[in-house]
Amino acid sequence: DAGVIQSPRHEVTEMGQEVTLRCKPISGHNSLFWYRQTMMRGLELLIYFNNNVPIDDSGMPEDRFSAKMPNASFSTLKIQPSEPRDSAVYFCASSSNSGGHTGELFFGEGSRLTVL
Amino acid sequence: GENVEQHPSTLSVQEGDSAVIKCTYSDSASNYFPWYKQELGKGPQLIIDIRSNVGEKKDQRIAVTLNKTAKHFSLHITETQPEDSAVYFCAADDRGSTLGRLYFGRGTQLTVWP
Repeated sequence: DAGVIQSPRHEVTEMGQEVTLRCKPISGHNSLFWYRQTMMRGLELLIYFNNNVPIDDSGMPEDRFSAKMPNASFSTLKIQPSEPRDSAVYFCASSSNSGGHTGELFFGEGSRLTVL
Repeated sequence: GENVEQHPSTLSVQEGDSAVIKCTYSDSASNYFPWYKQELGKGPQLIIDIRSNVGEKKDQRIAVTLNKTAKHFSLHITETQPEDSAVYFCAADDRGSTLGRLYFGRGTQLTVWP
């Protein structure tokens, strides 16, 4: 398997523009997570899905952030409008969990976002 | 939810020495404790994990110990090499949910000097 695939790897945009980050989880995984990583705050969980259903979005900073998972093989994280403080590395991760057994979490390579 | 504390935030060792990173957690119901290594420009990658039915697990130069009574677990790296230099994260699972959510520590930047 190719692992978790994220795009774009790098994005530079201007304040106010819409940003869409994309993720393809590992085939067969039933949980998908979006994390944001900054020096100040470390790894923050933004939102996670199980079987394509959003479970907890309490980590989403504000209404400018939204995430969708229309099917088991694709998810998007959208920021509209973007602000300089959104500059960070955004990671998508997926895992397979069943029967109360927490499976290994696999991370993508990340999308580095810079908002000017 | 779970709260995971990790120490130290930075650690420098000489090649060949041992490195130890410690974490504590707050939820006694957690029972899965993975450790991740993040190299520059990459996503975190699992290096070892332990479940609460064992107290210690070893894989070549790395080992993890777990003390459920005290709610702490540690990563031990022996005979360190320059390629061990990276950021290491500990994590604990969310037993309030069985959906795979993990709570991460803030990370430890390990530097191994040749």
